[in-house]
Amino acid sequence: EIVMTQSPATLSVSPGERATLSCRASQSVSSNLAWYQQKPGQAPRLLIYGASTRATGIPARFSGSGSGTEFTLTISSLQSEDFAVYYCQQYNNWPWAFGQGTKVEIK
Amino acid sequence: EVQLVESGGGLVKPGGSLRLSCAASGFTFSSYSMNWVRQAPGKGLEWVSSISSSSSYIYYADSVKGRFTISRDNAKNSLYLQMNSLRAEDTAVYYCAPWGDLELNPGFDYWGQGTLVTVSS
Repeated sequence: EIVMTQSPATLSVSPGERATLSCRASQSVSSNLAWYQQKPGQAPRLLIYGASTRATGIPARFSGSGSGTEFTLTISSLQSEDFAVYYCQQYNNWPWAFGQGTKVEIK
Repeated sequence: EVQLVESGGGLVKPGGSLRLSCAASGFTFSSYSMNWVRQAPGKGLEWVSSISSSSSYIYYADSVKGRFTISRDNAKNSLYLQMNSLRAEDTAVYYCAPWGDLELNPGFDYWGQGTLVTVSS
């Protein structure tokens, strides 16, 4: 079973600043990694698949990178609507797994 | 427009059973693998189970294996989750989600509103 570990648990960032979120897999997941954003009371929203491809309609300020076991989600200039919880998910091996999430909060 | 409507949640005692349903529309249901993902109150997302488009392949999280059964009816565009031997730790909002977008790119691009399952005496 692959374990996904996200860091940090909470990230305090000022609007307009850059945010860098990390996700580590306990073994290689190749590039079979997705990122999701979730706001309170809402279902998750797909941001990135294939580690680096933005999903339809996702702004260019969101970018993903990495392969194997180390992945990064970067938000280049945080907007007010970006404060939320972010999850990574591996779909390379069964059982699929999500990370525990990173909360991006206003500094 | 893709729509996913979960139902069947509610309050159940430990050891009890519940059957969740998900009615899908707006996409070719029979072409997609379907999944259940849950979220305990105030906690993160947990993938629960997946079933391939023709029901040939089924996978479960270790936490529910042997207790939950996923199934689908392509004629009715419906997904199901039979939950037996329920435990307090199964308390969560349960979402159904197809795997892939309308171009079959990977990811959970569509989600229902979820149905809340509460296991408590």
